[in-house]
Amino acid sequence: DIQMTQSPSFLSASVGDRVTINCKASQNINKYLNWYQQKLGEAPKRLIYNTNNLQTGIPSRFSGSGSGTDYTLTISSLQPEDFATYFCLQHNSFPYTFGAGTKLELK
Amino acid sequence: EVQLQQSGAELGKPGTSVKLSCKVSGYNIRNTYMHWVNQRPGKGLEWIGRIDPANGNTIYAEKFKSKATLTADTSSNTAYMQLSQLKSDDTAIYFCAIRLGYWGQGTLVTVSS
Repeated sequence: DIQMTQSPSFLSASVGDRVTINCKASQNINKYLNWYQQKLGEAPKRLIYNTNNLQTGIPSRFSGSGSGTDYTLTISSLQPEDFATYFCLQHNSFPYTFGAGTKLELK
Repeated sequence: EVQLQQSGAELGKPGTSVKLSCKVSGYNIRNTYMHWVNQRPGKGLEWIGRIDPANGNTIYAEKFKSKATLTADTSSNTAYMQLSQLKSDDTAIYFCAIRLGYWGQGTLVTVSS
C-alpha cells in the first residue's frame, strides 16, 4: 500500500497568513492527489483534484502543486472559514490512501 | 445538482450485520464509481472500496474484504454497503462518494451490546 505522510499534524495560524500543508507519498503517485477540507460533523469537501485543479466553487486562495512523491496545498491568505482539518488522498493505485490530516487552528 | 442521501444512524450488536444505503440524485450511478470511506471517532479517513454500478465489479482494501460488501441498484440509483460480523472497532461514520468529489452526509454506525 502507498503510505501518505502528511505534515504538519497541527498548524496554528492567523487570518491573512499564508500556509502550506504537505503530503509525501511512499512512491510515485503520478499527480493523482486530491486535497479535502473537513469541518466538524461534516463530510469532506474536495478542494483540489489531481494535484493542481481547483474544484468548482472553491476560492482561488487555495492551490495545489507537486509531482512524483511530494505534494503541497497552499492557502494564500487564510480566512476565518478556513480553520478546519485538511486531508490528502492518493488515487493512483489501490487501495487509495489518505494522509492522517492537518488540523488548522486559529492562533 | 448532485446529491447523495445516506441512510440513518445504525446501532448494531457485536456479531450482527448492518446494511447502509446511499441514494443518488442528479447523477446516473451507471456512469461512475461509488466509493465508500470510513472515519473512526476522532480519527482520519480510510478508503474501504469502490463499486462500478454498471457491472457490479468491486475493489476492496484488503482489510475490508471480509468486512464490507458493496452492491448497487441502478434502477433506484442507490448504492449499498453491508458490514458483517460487527465489532466495536467498526464503530465509525461511513461515507459514500461519487468520483471522490461528491459525498454523502455520512452514516454513523455504533456497535454495542
